[in-house]
Amino acid sequence: ETGVTQSPTHLIKTRGQQVTLRCSSQSGHNTVSWYQQALGQGPQFIFQYYREEENGRGNFPPRFSGLQFPNYSSELNVNALELDDSALYLCASSFDWDEAFFGQGTRLTVV
Amino acid sequence: QKEVEQDPGPLSVPEGAIVSLNCTYSNSAFQYFMWYRQYSRKGPELLMYTYSSGNKEDGRFTAQVDKSSKYISLFIRDSQPSDSATYLCAMRVPAQKLVFGQGTRLTINP
Repeated sequence: ETGVTQSPTHLIKTRGQQVTLRCSSQSGHNTVSWYQQALGQGPQFIFQYYREEENGRGNFPPRFSGLQFPNYSSELNVNALELDDSALYLCASSFDWDEAFFGQGTRLTVV
Repeated sequence: QKEVEQDPGPLSVPEGAIVSLNCTYSNSAFQYFMWYRQYSRKGPELLMYTYSSGNKEDGRFTAQVDKSSKYISLFIRDSQPSDSATYLCAMRVPAQKLVFGQGTRLTINP
């Protein structure tokens, strides 16, 4: 186990709804990154937070937003859900830009 | 062209075989190279992490990096059924995001 925990593990939402996913980083880590993994694909970078500031963003629309809290836990918010948002959402934590350790993921299904 | 190319497989080998998994990349600025193992419906697990050309060994696993050819490999010796998983290569420029390959689905047959 990596010490990175994500909640919930599974989620079903309706198109157009909003969703919040949560990540608790490993103790001692100050950097959290979020990735989207479609079935049969490698993870795609959404954005990264370093010491509560956004520190890089991938090619995702503004309806994907995030937050990092003073305890370095993080949230991923997705507004106006689309069917193509169905995927495994992965959170990874690290100390600065050292090795990244992943949580078990949240599987989101949009119907 | 994708920054990181990985043969998606699937790859099926008998127990005890030596497995070779490979990735090529186009961005010469990549300096850190990783291999992750991902079991079905789980998050990726870090197997190997290296930042220099050459070989790094950890038990039955050997990671090889050839920066001049922009090519990395993971070798698994004495493969076991428990090694059956998807293997992801990942790499990054210093202080930037991880860029992943597509993943190779590996099955080890008893």
